[in-house]
Amino acid sequence: GAVVSQHPSRVICKSGTSVKIECRSLDFQATTMFWYRQFPKQSLMLMATSNEGSKATYEQGVEKDKFLINHASLTLSTLTVTSAHPEDSSFYICSARDKSNTEAFFGQGTRLTVV
Amino acid sequence: GEDVEQSLFLSVREGDSSVINCTYTDSSSTYLYWYKQEPGAGLQLLTYIFSNMDMKQDQRLTVLLNKKDKHLSLRIADTQTGDSAIYFCAGKGYGGATNKLIFGTGTLLAVQP
Repeated sequence: GAVVSQHPSRVICKSGTSVKIECRSLDFQATTMFWYRQFPKQSLMLMATSNEGSKATYEQGVEKDKFLINHASLTLSTLTVTSAHPEDSSFYICSARDKSNTEAFFGQGTRLTVV
Repeated sequence: GEDVEQSLFLSVREGDSSVINCTYTDSSSTYLYWYKQEPGAGLQLLTYIFSNMDMKQDQRLTVLLNKKDKHLSLRIADTQTGDSAIYFCAGKGYGGATNKLIFGTGTLLAVQP
């Protein structure tokens, strides 16, 4: 299957700083990328959907100024957590879908800890 | 919106069959998926079924879909300790710009040696 690489896998940052998480599709063009957040022992919560070259669509309750998403190319999307707070600590997972629109491939996830 | 429910926990012995169940509310999902998540990792797509199918078999995995009851199940034959993980079902609609996946609550499968 297709490969989606997410980086970094773990990051610890201080409160008030910003953190950028990258999601790359390595062997296919991802027309759509999704960003999820997962709390311990819970399901995945969709945060936003991004299409290459256009603004991301955020789910209700997700602050777009807090979670900046950029999908600058067909192989790269980034999520920037701005002015991070301890309550932003979570597991963030990206997913990418190709033109066939059937399968979604997931990155390995990023464990963010804000101290 | 779509609501997808799963039982939280399933424990089986190695070599037995595991059956993980999922119920959903939105019958417009054209594809239904099963994903596996190991601790601290992303999701691995195991299999998916198109909504006009009743059953799909892929090696040790069998997916059954009952559209009338909006019930999806994943059967793992000859369950191994390496199958221990959280399993998520997910549904996807058709059309529209996003086609986002809605995930179930997840089932923790524990395989006892």
